[in-house]
Amino acid sequence: DQQVKQNSPSLSVQEGRISILNCDYTNSMFDYFLWYKKYPAEGPTFLISISSIKDKNEDGRFTVFLNKSAKHLSLHIVPSQPGDSAVYFCAAGGSNYKLTFGKGTLLTVNP
Amino acid sequence: DADVTQTPRNRITKTGKRIMLECSQTKGHDRMYWYRQDPGLGLRLIYYSFDVKDINKGEISDGYSVSRQAQAKFSLSLESAIPNQTALYFCATSDPRGLAGNEQFFGPGTRLTVL
Repeated sequence: DQQVKQNSPSLSVQEGRISILNCDYTNSMFDYFLWYKKYPAEGPTFLISISSIKDKNEDGRFTVFLNKSAKHLSLHIVPSQPGDSAVYFCAAGGSNYKLTFGKGTLLTVNP
Repeated sequence: DADVTQTPRNRITKTGKRIMLECSQTKGHDRMYWYRQDPGLGLRLIYYSFDVKDINKGEISDGYSVSRQAQAKFSLSLESAIPNQTALYFCATSDPRGLAGNEQFFGPGTRLTVL
């Protein structure tokens, strides 16, 4: 049973527009959520996180929104840039310090 | 300099061979993890270790073993490799005392192909 779901395998947006990546989870015990970005031939790199006690966290062009009642989070990238083209993984964790990852969404930002 | 290094970066081997993947870190973190990534399946946890004397199975540990030789070193072994173990393997570390909380830091990965 997949506890963290990224239902869109891919997303394509124009440079300068907003990119919205979505993630759903089923385990109500998760108390923090992270987004990672991964380029080909590299390991995932941490992008932004949010605690379950918050509903929004912002870092520059990146904002993560959390809707606990819907068990849904989203990553907004504004404005999108070609260098943002990568696979984005949503991850969730709890008190056991393990992360559960979604399958990833390939974002392509077209110039 | 990379904080989390993995060797080798690429490996091609044959069915039945014993393979060891190594991970070293200079971050001083106690917690280390091994994941595999398969196309369309995301990252799945194989084993994790919260300190030198602690080893725990993840969701897909069958066919794998690990050794935590020191705080900085965590190796993954495939005792008898099989083709469905062909994947990208990532090592990661974390330190819950850090400002980033439970963020995990990943190595560059090892691409393993079992023929």
